[in-house]
Amino acid sequence: DAKTTQPTSMDCAEGRAANLPCNHSTISGNEYVYWYRQIHSQGPQYIIHGLKNNETNEMASLIITEDRKSSTLILPHATLRDTAVYYCIVRVLNYGGSQGNLIFGKGTKLSVKP
Amino acid sequence: GAVVSQHPSRVICKSGTSVKIECRSLDFQATTMFWYRQFPKQSLMLMATSNEGSKATYEQGVEKDKFLINHASLTLSTLTVTSAHPEDSSFYICSARATDTQYFGPGTRLTVL
Repeated sequence: DAKTTQPTSMDCAEGRAANLPCNHSTISGNEYVYWYRQIHSQGPQYIIHGLKNNETNEMASLIITEDRKSSTLILPHATLRDTAVYYCIVRVLNYGGSQGNLIFGKGTKLSVKP
Repeated sequence: GAVVSQHPSRVICKSGTSVKIECRSLDFQATTMFWYRQFPKQSLMLMATSNEGSKATYEQGVEKDKFLINHASLTLSTLTVTSAHPEDSSFYICSARATDTQYFGPGTRLTVL
């Protein structure tokens, strides 16, 4: 599975949008981009995933560049409870076939401040 | 999203004893489950992959005789840490695969005295 590069840490003001970048320049055609977050001392929480189209759900939006070499997770209105480590992971997904494992890097520690 | 539970959430044991951790997918069936370990201030490390009805696949460096994994049903996987030692103290997290996404349990904090 392709590797990802994320900033070590970011700050965001409460109520503002948090934009978390991720580089995955070696991503291949059947690899999806997944985002998880881990709040201190809890298991990771699934946020969103996508292949090449932008995706949105109740938690966040995922913007993937046209060449798929990078993506941005957007939390539209960050709250203090969004303070966590955010992981961008690239994973092979063939529906009905092989799937890659979720391999966690160091992630981005997002601190939402009042 | 789908719910994965773990039991117990915390366990303290004496060195040399064995500890069993249960992982259940509550509202979906999971043919594949995963076990991760996380040391303080580090990221999650995949330990093993378990498929229902077959032997688990362990990552390099993980002792299969020390970390026994059983995936007896589509909703239950267990991890047994045998002859635990203080260096096995860690946060153990299970995960279950549902179609195209993996969901994680809340984790089990193991402390070996």
